[in-house]
Amino acid sequence: LAKTTQPISMDSYEGQEVNITCSHNNIATNDYITWYQQFPSQGPRFIIQGYKTKVTNEVASLFIPADRKSSTLSLPRVSLSDTAVYYCLVGDEASGTYKYIFGTGTRLKVLA
Amino acid sequence: NAGVMQNPRHLVRRRGQEARLRCSPMKGHSHVYWYRQLPEEGLKFMVYLQKENIIDESGMPKERFSAEFPKEGPSILRIQQVVRGDSAAYFCASSLPDRGIGTQYFGPGTRLLVL
Repeated sequence: LAKTTQPISMDSYEGQEVNITCSHNNIATNDYITWYQQFPSQGPRFIIQGYKTKVTNEVASLFIPADRKSSTLSLPRVSLSDTAVYYCLVGDEASGTYKYIFGTGTRLKVLA
Repeated sequence: NAGVMQNPRHLVRRRGQEARLRCSPMKGHSHVYWYRQLPEEGLKFMVYLQKENIIDESGMPKERFSAEFPKEGPSILRIQQVVRGDSAAYFCASSLPDRGIGTQYFGPGTRLLVL
């Protein structure tokens, strides 16, 4: 069963740029990569989505190399309120069923 | 536009009782997904449904768990004869039909506590 892999945790300071990478070796050809943010006791919240190269919105950027086997979420100038768990979401082609697999999640802690 | 709605937000059950969790998808969304999250863990896929159809239930425990998404009304996740290990947060998400680019929008979750 294919799975995604992310660092378990990261610490950063306010104002710094944070990059979180997700590995997804068996991503489906037509699938997109989506990142979510989750605060304690809340449902995940959509951050950004992309298919290849680079995508940018008002809160983050997403970098995807040509082979699409990984992706990097970039948060510019983080603040304390960015402390949360971040998940990447891709399809699972290897298992033979079309199933959305969440990564293990990365706990980002932003320090003052 | 209302987002994904789940109720109840908190549910307490004693061992052996039944738990029914409801999810109303976003307007226009015909695909529903259920996930379970144990304390301090990531989300685990359970089941993927379309109206009147279970598409993928490979993440559902073989016994006691069932899900439906009727033509009318919310999607229901049903847990029979609950045990303490069922205590978790259960999240529902909905999306438009195109899975490839369909973004899943999550509800606030139902926190189930089994005493």
